This record gives sequence, structure tokens and C-alpha cells, in this order.
Amino acid sequence: KNEVEQSPQNLTAQEGEFITINCSYSVGISALHWLQQHPGGGIVSLFMLSSGKKKHGRLIATINIQEKHSSLHITASHPRDSAVYICAVFWGSNYKLTFGKGTLLTVNP
Amino acid sequence: NAGVTQTPKFQVLKTGQSMTLQCAQDMNHNSMYWYRQDPGMGLRLIYYSASEGTTDKGEVPNGYNVSRLNKREFSLRLESAAPSQTSVYFCASSEADGLGYTFGSGTRLTVV
Repeated sequence: KNEVEQSPQNLTAQEGEFITINCSYSVGISALHWLQQHPGGGIVSLFMLSSGKKKHGRLIATINIQEKHSSLHITASHPRDSAVYICAVFWGSNYKLTFGKGTLLTVNP
Repeated sequence: NAGVTQTPKFQVLKTGQSMTLQCAQDMNHNSMYWYRQDPGMGLRLIYYSASEGTTDKGEVPNGYNVSRLNKREFSLRLESAAPSQTSVYFCASSEADGLGYTFGSGTRLTVV
């Protein structure tokens, strides 16, 4: 069974700080998603990665397939970035996701 | 707006009642999924449908049934609701290669 571990569970930052959230998984995967969920809100897919690095605005996601590890970075964090960030993986020929438990990010002004 | 539409957004059931959660997507996706989200547990797959006409069990299927009515619609049925089914339910869809993963806004279900 593929386990997905995220760290930290909770993260508090000051506006403008550089944020890193980590995700590790136990077996080889086809690809990995980073998802964002605002309190009481829906879930949005930020990135899907199978190798290397992707960037969208202030968000950067990297994945190291050999080390079974991915990171999500937020540059120049802002209070509107406050949300739960969830790592999810899938493997093989089906696309059902296995999720980490999420990282609650709070960015204070 | 294109996306995944779930109904209802909120529901309270009494133990033993039945209900169906509806989900529809307008992105022409082949694959659709039902997940539940519980505090401390994260999201877990209930059932999925890789394509129209097929359905398969996920991690926590007990107490649920699904129907892939057509390519657009994938419903989740609780035949006899139990308090353990109190949760937030999310429907999602994706392209056949996992791209374009899109979630509905969720259904908050309470079983008393």
C-alpha cells in the first residue's frame, strides 16, 4: 500500500516569507498532485507532476522520483495563501488518488 | 462555468434513511470518482469509474453504491445511512491520463 506523508502538519508564517511543504511516498508513482483547500471550501488542483519542476506565479513544485519526494514552495507568501495544502499520488494505469493528510498553512499579515 | 457540479451542498439524514448524491461534469472526462473527507483521515476513495459503463470499489466502499448513468453523471447512493457516514463528500473527474483533475464543491452530510 502506498503511504503518503506530509510535513509539517501545521505551518504559521509571516507575510512575505518563503514557504516549503514536503511530501514523501513509499512506492513508485505515475504522478503527483498538489491540491489547495480553503477553509470550508472546495479543492483545487495546483499542479500535476511526474518529473522535474513546475512553476505557476508564486508557486513552485518539484519532484524527485528516485528519492520519492516532492516539495511545494510559495515565494513571498500572502494571507490569501492561507489554506490546507494536500499532496496526492497515483500510480499504474488508473488515476484514483491516495492523499496525504494535508498541511494547514496560516500566513499572518 | 465548466466544472464538476455536486448536489446537494448540505444534507441531514436520520439513521436508516437513504439518499443519492448527484455529480455531473461538463468537461468530457472519462474518469469520475467519489471521495470522502474526515478530520484526521484525509480524503479517501469510495468508488471510481474509469469510463462510462464501468465502476470499481475504492478504499472505503462499504455502505455505498454508485451508478455511472452516462459519461457526464456519476451518482453515489447511501441505502441505509449510519452515523459513521457523517462526512464531507467530494466528486471529481479527470481525463483518461489523470490530467485535468477537477473536484466538485463538496456535500456536507450529517447522519443523526
